[in-house]
Amino acid sequence: QVLLVESGGGVVQPGRSLRLSCTASGFTFRTYGMHWVRQAPGKGLEWVAIIWYDGTNENYADSVKGRFTISRDSSKNTLYLQMNSLRVDDTAIYYCARIATGTYSLDSWGQGTVVTVSS
Amino acid sequence: QSALTQPASVSGSPGQSITISCTGTSSDVGRYNSVSWYQQHPGEAPKLMIYAVTNRPSGVSNRFSGSKSGNTASLSISGLQAEDEADYYCSSYTTSNTAVFGGGTKLTVL
Repeated sequence: QVLLVESGGGVVQPGRSLRLSCTASGFTFRTYGMHWVRQAPGKGLEWVAIIWYDGTNENYADSVKGRFTISRDSSKNTLYLQMNSLRVDDTAIYYCARIATGTYSLDSWGQGTVVTVSS
Repeated sequence: QSALTQPASVSGSPGQSITISCTGTSSDVGRYNSVSWYQQHPGEAPKLMIYAVTNRPSGVSNRFSGSKSGNTASLSISGLQAEDEADYYCSSYTTSNTAVFGGGTKLTVL
């Protein structure tokens, strides 16, 4: 079955960097677009970034543009989120999610990895 | 990239029906038939309940249905059950090639 497993979260100081990974299995990763979505403590879902199935295009929420970079390595079935210049308000659970074929919906989600930005 | 507007909370008794609205703009909800709805129980990842405005993924109860009129989409749940108590989020693709979520609605089954 489809499985997405995030890793790389942790506690980091403001201004530092962190790289999240999302390892995919159970489907042909290279044929699916992927998203990162985050959820701050007690808050709603916030879309973060998207990458096309072939990695040729990507886009970001205004809140992370210029600081975060989404990428993928289809040889490793892995999605990444490089997060630089982290701020306290980046504290959240970060989910990776798969885009359902032919739609813009997210049909499979990982369990999330927790990022805490604190001094 | 303003969030879609949802009511903060709705409630209903078992067996009743409820509707959650999701209001966007002509650049997102009104532009594409790409509205999707997600259910999230506490401590769990979101689960896709409706995609492309009206479609249910395999395994989702037919008590859940979606619709759209202009810039407002809606999720309806009939025959409310205790297990339906959760947070619900709408989402849409946008003309900026981004995605946007609603603020979320907490459904309480009385």
